[in-house]
Formats: sequence, structure tokens, C-alpha cells
Amino acid sequence: NAGVTQTPKFQVLKTGQSMTLQCAQDMNHEYMSWYRQDPGMGLRLIHYSVGAGITDQGEVPNGYNVSRSTTEDFPLRLLSAAPSQTSVYFCASSRTSGGALGYEQYFGPGTRLTVT
Amino acid sequence: KNEVEQSPQNLTAQEGEFITINCSYSVGISALHWLQQHPGGGIVSLFMLSSGKKKHGRLIATINIQEKHSSLHITASHPRDSAVYICAVARSGGGADGLTFGKGTHLIIQP
Repeated sequence: NAGVTQTPKFQVLKTGQSMTLQCAQDMNHEYMSWYRQDPGMGLRLIHYSVGAGITDQGEVPNGYNVSRSTTEDFPLRLLSAAPSQTSVYFCASSRTSGGALGYEQYFGPGTRLTVT
Repeated sequence: KNEVEQSPQNLTAQEGEFITINCSYSVGISALHWLQQHPGGGIVSLFMLSSGKKKHGRLIATINIQEKHSSLHITASHPRDSAVYICAVARSGGGADGLTFGKGTHLIIQP
């Protein structure tokens, strides 16, 4: 199993450009999520999904869209990139939310995004 | 005030020392996770706890639900243990809305 994969690993965007960060998992996990990690701050939840066709907002959703058309894929779209979105983005999955995220979390390798 | 506080923020120790990293939280939880992040970014799950104690190799994690406190211990520390250790909680009754993370403890083990 590849686990959780993310592409690209690195990306530089200009302000106003749009792009999609890709996330895929091959473990048949129901629950997937996107986090951003900024210096001096803990990881913060952007969006999450409890299954195909179901998504919801996390703590910092503004400027990002998600969709979940299949169990495997959970892309994150930046609509109009801003310098404040410069960050490292992690996708994660787990077997199920279980109502309590009491299952091991699997993280992708991250995407380092710079917006100039 | 952050819902999840870790201490210390930074820790430098000599190889072989016993290491303790603490995590305190202020919300009701159903699960607490300890994660490890090496330089270069990858995040790995070490433990998921809802009560008591778990051990894996040289790593031990404990949780006291009443005191809202968890500790991660590393015995016989080694330079390869150098990493950022992150505590994260899943809120009770919070459904699927993700984990809340501490800011991490940056551990350096010197040979």
C-alpha cells in the first residue's frame, strides 16, 4: 500500500493564481482531512470529509474548496492564492471518524506552498 | 488560551537520557494522539490513547483523564529520536471535526 500520497511536494504560486493540491489514499479510509502547518502554530484543520460526497469546514476554511467524489481522493483547491496561504499542507486519513477520531491517523508527506 | 498545551517547547538532552514530554488539555476528549515529525516534514502516528498507558519499544505514553494530562516518555534516548513530538486531541462529542493540536516539542538528542 502506498498509504496517503500528496502531490506536488513543492509549489510556488503568484498571488491570485489558483491550483489544486492532490491527496489520495489506498487504505479504503472513510475519513480524510486537510491541515495546514505554520511556524509557531499547531496544525489547523481546513476541511474534512467523512465519506464520498460529504465534506465540511474545519477551523480555517476560507480561501479553500474541497470535494470528495471517490473514497480514495480528496483534493484541496485554492481559489485565488494569497501570501497568507503560504504554508505546509498535510492530508490525513483514518479508518473512520468513529464519532471520536479514535483511530490511528495516517498523514501524507506534505506539500510546501509558497505564494508570492 | 490554547486548548492543548505542550511542555517543554524545546528540549536538548544527551544520548541515553530519559525524556518526558507533557501535554495538558482543557476540553473533554475521547482520544489523545501522540505524533512524531522528523525534519523534512513527515508526520507519523505514535500512539492513540483513551485511558491508561501504552508502550512501544522505548516509547511510553500515559494519560490521566481526570487531570487532563498526558505524558510521552522516551527511555535510553538516541540521536535518531530527534524530532518534533506533537500532542493532539479528539474532542468528545465533537464528531468528525478533526483533531486539535499542540504546538509541538522540539527534541534534540546529542550524541
